Amino acid sequence: AQTIHQWPVAEIKAVGSPLSLGCTIKGKSSPNLYWYWQATGGTLQQLFYSITVGQVESVVQLNLSASRPKDDQFILSTEKLLLSHSGFYLCAWSLNRGDERLFFGHGTKLSVL
Amino acid sequence: QQKVQQSPESLIVPEGGMASLNCTSSDRNVDYFWWYRQHSGKSPKMLMSIFSNGEKEEGRFTVHLNKASLHTSLHIRDSQPSDSALYLCAASGNNRIFFGDGTQLVVKP
Repeated sequence: AQTIHQWPVAEIKAVGSPLSLGCTIKGKSSPNLYWYWQATGGTLQQLFYSITVGQVESVVQLNLSASRPKDDQFILSTEKLLLSHSGFYLCAWSLNRGDERLFFGHGTKLSVL
Repeated sequence: QQKVQQSPESLIVPEGGMASLNCTSSDRNVDYFWWYRQHSGKSPKMLMSIFSNGEKEEGRFTVHLNKASLHTSLHIRDSQPSDSALYLCAASGNNRIFFGDGTQLVVKP
């Protein structure tokens, strides 16, 4: 069975500090991977997606970057956090093109103060 | 411009009642429609999907799709308090998956 693990579960960070969030998918080779952001009570906004190692497509620029260093790992990061980065970050995977059912991780709640 | 519009924004139904949620895509390049349910503080989980015209039923949940108008609807019969959640509609195509703002459903005992 496939599992998706996201870390950390929650973070409280200062404005201007760096950030790194990660997720790992086990039990599925070459999944499509996604990062989503959700403001409190807000819409799910797709940030990045990746269909293969080393390739990441940006959907929305929020002063964030993403990388896929391994087939099963997706990293979201920034060198300088803004207040507007606060929210709920969700990593997700899907099988492949044509079946884009998303399986979400538990999410990371980020508070930027 | 929001590519997926959902209505209503919020909905209150009595326990045992019928909840009807609507969703329309403004992007004709979408191929599939999805309904997700998100309980407060949790991640979304896929509830139902529909790819072709018509209706699909799974237990208390029925989803309709009209591909010509890019409109889908979700109906929950015999609603339960545990159905209270944010219901998100998504439309996908070309690795892009757009979510609507959601309908907040409250089922009152």
